[in-house]
Amino acid sequence: AQKVTQAQTEISVVEKEDVTLDCVYETRDTTYYLFWYKQPPSGELVFLIRRNSFDEQNEISGRYSWNFQKSTSSFNFTITASQVVDSAVYFCALSVDPNRDDKIIFGKGTRLHILP
Amino acid sequence: DTGVSQDPRHKITKRGQNVTFRCDPISEHNRLYWYRQTLGQGPEFLTYFQNEAQLEKSRLLSDRFSAERPKGSFSTLEIQRTEQGDSAMYLCASSFDGNTIYFGEGSWLTVV
Repeated sequence: AQKVTQAQTEISVVEKEDVTLDCVYETRDTTYYLFWYKQPPSGELVFLIRRNSFDEQNEISGRYSWNFQKSTSSFNFTITASQVVDSAVYFCALSVDPNRDDKIIFGKGTRLHILP
Repeated sequence: DTGVSQDPRHKITKRGQNVTFRCDPISEHNRLYWYRQTLGQGPEFLTYFQNEAQLEKSRLLSDRFSAERPKGSFSTLEIQRTEQGDSAMYLCASSFDGNTIYFGEGSWLTVV
C-alpha cells in the first residue's frame, strides 16, 4: 500500500526566511510519481511539480526547490526567501503507474504561515 | 479559462436532500477524477473515468453516491439522501492518460 507522511502540521516563518516542508513516502512499487500541490484559501489545488522515481535530480524553479532522496524515501520542498503569498496548505502526494492504478495518495498537508 | 471548472462552488442542503455537482475537465483530457476533502485532511480518491468508462471506485463511495460521464466530456457526481457526514469539498480533476493531474476549485457541500 502507498502512504505519504507530512509530519509538520503547521509552520510559521517570518517573511524572507527560507522554509523546508518535509515529505516521506512509502511504496513497494519501483515506478512511482511524487507531487507537490499548493492549496490557497480559495480551495483550488495548484500543481507545483511531478517527479518520477527514476529521476533523482533535484529541481529548482524560481524560489522553489525540491530534494528527492530515494535512500530515505523523502521528497522535501524548500521555499527560499518566503513571501506572504506563499501562505497556503501544501500537499505532498504519490501515485504509481497510471496505467495500473491511477489515483493519487495525498498526505495530510502542511499549513504554512508567512508572517509579514 | 481552460482549466477544470466545477459547479456549483458552494451548496448548502438539508439532510435527506439530493445534490448534484458538475465538472468540466480540460478539453483534451481523457481521464476525469473525483476526490473528497474534509477539513484538515488531504484529498481522498473517490472514483475516476477514462473517457466515459468508470474504471475504479473507492470504498468511500457508498451506494448513495453515483458518478457519470456520459459522453466522455463533463461529469456529474450525485449524492442521494445526504447526511451530515457528507459535508466536505468535492474536487474534480483531469489528466491526459494519467499524466499531470490538474484540479478544479472544488465544490463545497454543507449538509444541515
